Amino acid sequence: GQNIDQPTEMTATEGAIVQINCTYQTSGFNGLFWYQQHAGEAPTFLSYNVLDGLEEKGRFSSFLSRSKGYSYLLLKELQMKDSASYLCAVRADRSYGGATNKLIFGTGTLLAVQP
Amino acid sequence: GAVVSQHPSWVICKSGTSVKIECRSLDFQATTMFWYRQFPKQSLMLMATSNEGSKATYEQGVEKDKFLINHASLTLSTLTVTSAHPEDSSFYICSARDFREYNEQFFGPGTRLTVL
Repeated sequence: GQNIDQPTEMTATEGAIVQINCTYQTSGFNGLFWYQQHAGEAPTFLSYNVLDGLEEKGRFSSFLSRSKGYSYLLLKELQMKDSASYLCAVRADRSYGGATNKLIFGTGTLLAVQP
Repeated sequence: GAVVSQHPSWVICKSGTSVKIECRSLDFQATTMFWYRQFPKQSLMLMATSNEGSKATYEQGVEKDKFLINHASLTLSTLTVTSAHPEDSSFYICSARDFREYNEQFFGPGTRLTVL
């Protein structure tokens, strides 16, 4: 089966750093994505990892370890507007189920940034 | 970045009626579009993969006769919820993959369906 785990909720302080973890067990792997979703809105793309290591993009960084089935999203210099759900998603291999590189989403982590 | 639109943004209908939701890629061609459903405080659940010019691929547990998908062109996919019931009330989101951009899916703004 497919399983992607994230913490349900996290709280952090404005200006601080927060790390959101994601562990996955999937039948195939062809990349891991992080999305941000504000309530009632569609997800927006944050980052993509397919090789092990750290990808940095401004205040956001994402790390991947394929051998451990583990990723994290690091948010620096937190702002109030960063309060949102953060979704970890794994792209299944082409061979899985005959689908065309579909994404499997984790349950999402609701981040609350406090003053 | 690429833009995906959905119409309508919200809809309220009576139980037993059918509702059609459109998903359009505005500035790129999408050979593949995906339909998701999201219940309150839950993550996105993939319903089906829509392929231009061929039949959609449905996820396990999703009734293909209830959720009709048509991907008639490279810029338009439609999801029709047939004989809707209150338990079908949800947030429906589509995404599209630009065939030139392998690593990114672009999401539409979503459609809030409420079945009375």
